[in-house]
Amino acid sequence: QQPVQSPQAVILREGEDAVINCSSSKALYSVHWYRQKHGEAPVFLMILLKGGEQKGHDKISASFNEKKQQSSLYLTASQLSYSGTYFCGTEESGGFKTIFGAGTRLFVKA
Amino acid sequence: DVKVTQSSRYLVKRTGEKVFLECVQDMDHENMFWYRQDPGLGLRLIYFSYDVKMKEKGDIPEGYSVSREKKERFSLILESASTNQTSMYLCASSLPINAVNSPLHFGNGTRLTVT
Repeated sequence: QQPVQSPQAVILREGEDAVINCSSSKALYSVHWYRQKHGEAPVFLMILLKGGEQKGHDKISASFNEKKQQSSLYLTASQLSYSGTYFCGTEESGGFKTIFGAGTRLFVKA
Repeated sequence: DVKVTQSSRYLVKRTGEKVFLECVQDMDHENMFWYRQDPGLGLRLIYFSYDVKMKEKGDIPEGYSVSREKKERFSLILESASTNQTSMYLCASSLPINAVNSPLHFGNGTRLTVT
């Protein structure tokens, strides 16, 4: 069953912040975040393992609440280069496969 | 750098044809995956393989089969292509799930059109 992402789409001005949420009905081992630009392959951003850790690099960070099976991606001081579609991918405990949400389209304008 | 190569970027086939989509990875990854991507539906898992000759159904395996005879190569087969299989197909590979930080590495995709 696909994780549920929200919002479906968001429009920002440069410098604004955004939060993208991902929730699952399953017990999760890990959550992945990817960004895909139009016409390109999805690119890995970060992975969060169960343990409730928060990770980040530059102005993009993420958290994982394993009790709620939820993860959030935080984009601060957005840049034009942040535009694209963001996908969360979830892995269940004992599983081999990554299941993706429907994606969140993010558009940053000048 | 991991490279995942899909044999065709664009493919046009007729209804009823047998279609082969090929994927090769060069990083000795155990896991390989086939997803299809459709607007509003995200990436949906068709099949995956965690070892040579091993395969598991994903969420939408109907109408597809796969082959993994060598570790580096994972093929997706459409036995009799239909118009509802028109889509973008993405191949990916990764280390085993218990490997720390095992992200998926994607190929550039094959856009298949079935007419």
